[in-house]
Amino acid sequence: QVHLQQWGAGLLKPSETLSLTCAVYGGSFNGYYWSWIRQPPGKGLEWIGEINYRGGTNYNPSLKSRVNISVDTSKNQFSLNLISMTAADTAVYYCARPLDSSTWYRYVFDIWGQGTMVTVSS
Amino acid sequence: EIVLTQSPGTLSLSPGERATLSCRASQSVSSTYLVWYQQKPGQAPRLLIYGASSRATGIPDRFSGSGSGTDFTLTISRLEPEDFAVYYCQQYGGSPLTFGGGTKVEVK
Repeated sequence: QVHLQQWGAGLLKPSETLSLTCAVYGGSFNGYYWSWIRQPPGKGLEWIGEINYRGGTNYNPSLKSRVNISVDTSKNQFSLNLISMTAADTAVYYCARPLDSSTWYRYVFDIWGQGTMVTVSS
Repeated sequence: EIVLTQSPGTLSLSPGERATLSCRASQSVSSTYLVWYQQKPGQAPRLLIYGASSRATGIPDRFSGSGSGTDFTLTISRLEPEDFAVYYCQQYGGSPLTFGGGTKVEVK
C-alpha cells in the first residue's frame, strides 16, 4: 500500500522560502511523475509542478519563476522549494502520485499526502 | 489556460436524493483528460472518476460521470450521508492542468 508522508515548516514570514519534503513508502518510486498541489483556505486546488525520478520537472507557469522541485531517489523523496513567499501563498500544500506511471494517467492523482498547512505572516 | 467553471456553487439536498454537478470548460477538453475528486473537511482530495466516466478503485457505482467537449457532469444517484462533501473537476488536456472551483453538496 503506497503512502505519502510530507513535512516542512508551517509558519513563514514574508520573503522567506518554503521547503517541504514528501517521502514515498510502500511502492515504486521510479517511473512516476510526482506532483505538488496547493489549496488556499476555503478555495480550490492549484497544481504547482512535478518531477520524475530522473529529475525532469514541469512547473505551472504562474509559479515557475519561484519554484524548484527536486528529487532524492536514494530516499524515495521529493521536495518543494518556493521562494519569496507572501500571504497569497498561504495554503495547504499536498504531494500527490498519479494513478499509474503511464503518460495517459500522469495527471490523475489517486494518492495524496496528508497535507501541510503553510501560513505566511509577519 | 483552460478555466473550469463548476455549478452550482452549493447544492442543498437530502440523503437519498439525486445530485447532478456540472463542470464547464472554457475550451474543449478530451473526455480522456477529465477527472473528478471528492474532498471532505480536513482531508486530501479523493479520486472518484477519471476519463470522464471511469470510476476509480473502490468508488461505489452510485457515482457516475459523463460528458464531452466543454460540458461534463458528475451524478450521484442516491446520496448517502458520507457523500456530503466538496467535489472538484480537473482537466489535463491543456497546459497547465487546472481544477474547477468546486461544488459543495450539503445537507438540506
